[in-house]
Amino acid sequence: QQPVQSPQAVILREGEDAVINCSSSKALYSVHWYRQKHGEAPIFLMILLKGGEQKGHDKISASFNEKKQQSSLYLTASQLSYSGTYFCGTGFSSGSARQLTFGSGTQLTVLP
Amino acid sequence: EAQVTQNPRYLITVTGKKLTVTCSQNMNHEYMSWYRQDPGLGLRQIYYSMNVEVTDKGDVPEGYKVSRKEKRNFPLILESPSPNQTSLYFCASSLNNPRRGHEQYFGPGTRLTVT
Repeated sequence: QQPVQSPQAVILREGEDAVINCSSSKALYSVHWYRQKHGEAPIFLMILLKGGEQKGHDKISASFNEKKQQSSLYLTASQLSYSGTYFCGTGFSSGSARQLTFGSGTQLTVLP
Repeated sequence: EAQVTQNPRYLITVTGKKLTVTCSQNMNHEYMSWYRQDPGLGLRQIYYSMNVEVTDKGDVPEGYKVSRKEKRNFPLILESPSPNQTSLYFCASSLNNPRRGHEQYFGPGTRLTVT
């Protein structure tokens, strides 16, 4: 039930764009995106709920296609600070259960 | 300062010696959760708690216990640690509104080595 993230790793130059995908074999209610820098705790980026909404702040945005059971994270004009491992976490229910299943991560490296 | 704290941050122990990793949050969050992180496997949920005295299993609960006697604390107990529990452990907390969804705040992590 672990969502599948792709690519596993990506290397960019500063200013380039990147897309990270998260796919589930199970119907999704929510998708959570986090970034983790080496040796640090994961930091929240955004949550998308069932309804196909798209969210974004600054130059990072995400979409959620519930029919395809997938979400994509878009990083535009990458900055050095975007380097890290990106995780998607998937939630399957809007009820009281709050089990969150994370993908194995996408390692993003932004070079100057 | 709003935060999630974990203790200890580093622990080396031997097989079978009971241990507890503490987790505390000062944000009055209802929801708390424990994850373990292993290379190539990402974050895997061990247990979570929706509120005081309400806990449930995550994806990898075997070999772990938790309790939620107070809202701010959510300790992780390893009754008889084994080497395959060597990992980086994170505690997280958030508000609990399933329809809206809320960001999880993660603690700094506890690196556990079981020899």
